[in-house]
Amino acid sequence: QSVLTQPPSVSGAPGQRVTISCTGSSSNIGAGYDVHWYQQLPGTAPKLLIYGNNNRPSGVPDRFSGSKSGTSASLAITGLQAEDEADYYCHSYDSSLSGSVFGGGTKLTVL
Amino acid sequence: QVTLKESGPALVKPTQTLTLTCTFSGFSLSTSGMRVSWLRQPPGKALEWLARIDWDDDKFYSASLKTRLTISKDTSKNQVVLTMTNVDPVDTATYYCARTQIDYSLDYWGQGTLVIVSS
Repeated sequence: QSVLTQPPSVSGAPGQRVTISCTGSSSNIGAGYDVHWYQQLPGTAPKLLIYGNNNRPSGVPDRFSGSKSGTSASLAITGLQAEDEADYYCHSYDSSLSGSVFGGGTKLTVL
Repeated sequence: QVTLKESGPALVKPTQTLTLTCTFSGFSLSTSGMRVSWLRQPPGKALEWLARIDWDDDKFYSASLKTRLTISKDTSKNQVVLTMTNVDPVDTATYYCARTQIDYSLDYWGQGTLVIVSS
């Protein structure tokens, strides 16, 4: 049981827009801690996709964006491409656990 | 250019102690604000944060694994070591180390090392 809650799967056709939600609580996202998102392609290590709620590291396309409100956050992907098919994880800090916490991951399928 | 690489045994027996080493380059753990974390991912499952060590030698552990983990650093060798005692088959996973920023984001990851716990 992950501390942050994500939908197990989402899907969309090429060119469409999809969102992935991440729900936390008052000790993590709701406490003001930043949310970060990672993309994990099959058989590879996770890659930082969004940091600090809505910032993209150099090299990440602007098709990826993040937002945060209250105890939740979202990752949006526009103009879906086949190469976006991957697992996506949200991540934050939890003050009651004094450590990082993750969502259970969301598998994105590009139809 | 920042790189990290995990090393350690691929197979350990139940009840043994697992020792993993993260060797990194492109940054120094003696620089203020620098941190390195260890995480793991069981096959087909989600990421789990295990431990973190900071530039000032502060150490933080997963609450559920705290009694079994020890993290340490050798700044001169650019290495961070994680030991896990009394391993069990449920500890079978790919173990990753990652550079950790002040906002806790994990901006660079190693390739991971698969550890199987089996007799």
